[in-house]
Amino acid sequence: KAGVTQTPRYLIKTRGQQVTLSCSPISGHRSVSWYQQTPGQGLQFLFEYFSETQRNKGNFPGRFSGRQFSNSRSEMNVSTLELGDSALYLCASSWDAVGGETEAFFGQGTRLTVV
Amino acid sequence: GDSVTQMEGPVTLSEEAFLTINCTYTATGYPSLFWYVQYPGEGLQLLLKATKADDKGSNKGFEATYRKETTSFHLEKGSVQVSDSAVYFCALSGYNFNKFYFGSGTKLNVKP
Repeated sequence: KAGVTQTPRYLIKTRGQQVTLSCSPISGHRSVSWYQQTPGQGLQFLFEYFSETQRNKGNFPGRFSGRQFSNSRSEMNVSTLELGDSALYLCASSWDAVGGETEAFFGQGTRLTVV
Repeated sequence: GDSVTQMEGPVTLSEEAFLTINCTYTATGYPSLFWYVQYPGEGLQLLLKATKADDKGSNKGFEATYRKETTSFHLEKGSVQVSDSAVYFCALSGYNFNKFYFGSGTKLNVKP
């Protein structure tokens, strides 16, 4: 069974540009979450999509946005890039379960460097 | 709000030493608790989990017990190996099941 696939693995962008990252979840998973990982702030939740709808949102500015397609694939977009956006962006997919019986399966991440 | 606190690293041990990484949490209700591991250049891999009080999660010689009375989920291993060197993250998932709160991570270095 294929795991979570994130593309591209590495990106270098210039301040002020925008970037789009892609995540393909595990087959059958309808929930996709995004996290930003930095040495200073650790792992921070960006947002979660379920059935093409944003269901949970973290405390990030509006420059960070996302969407989910009918096949559950998700993209996140960051506009007007800042140096502080340099980070490892991780995508996680989950099935939607009740009673706490869930776990997140992570991709290898996209390393974004803003110069 | 929900949060996770875990011990600062790095932790450096000799091979075959006993490992404990402390983790405490704050949450409303009854969260599920997890330990994830991250190897250099990789994403996170689930190591073990526990979904209710007194449950013990275990995998690859690692164990952690969900202690509601002390709001803790400490990770232990009786004999570490060099291959266990990685960063370990404690995490919880609460009411919003697919929103995870992570601790700051503890880097483990195991020397031969």
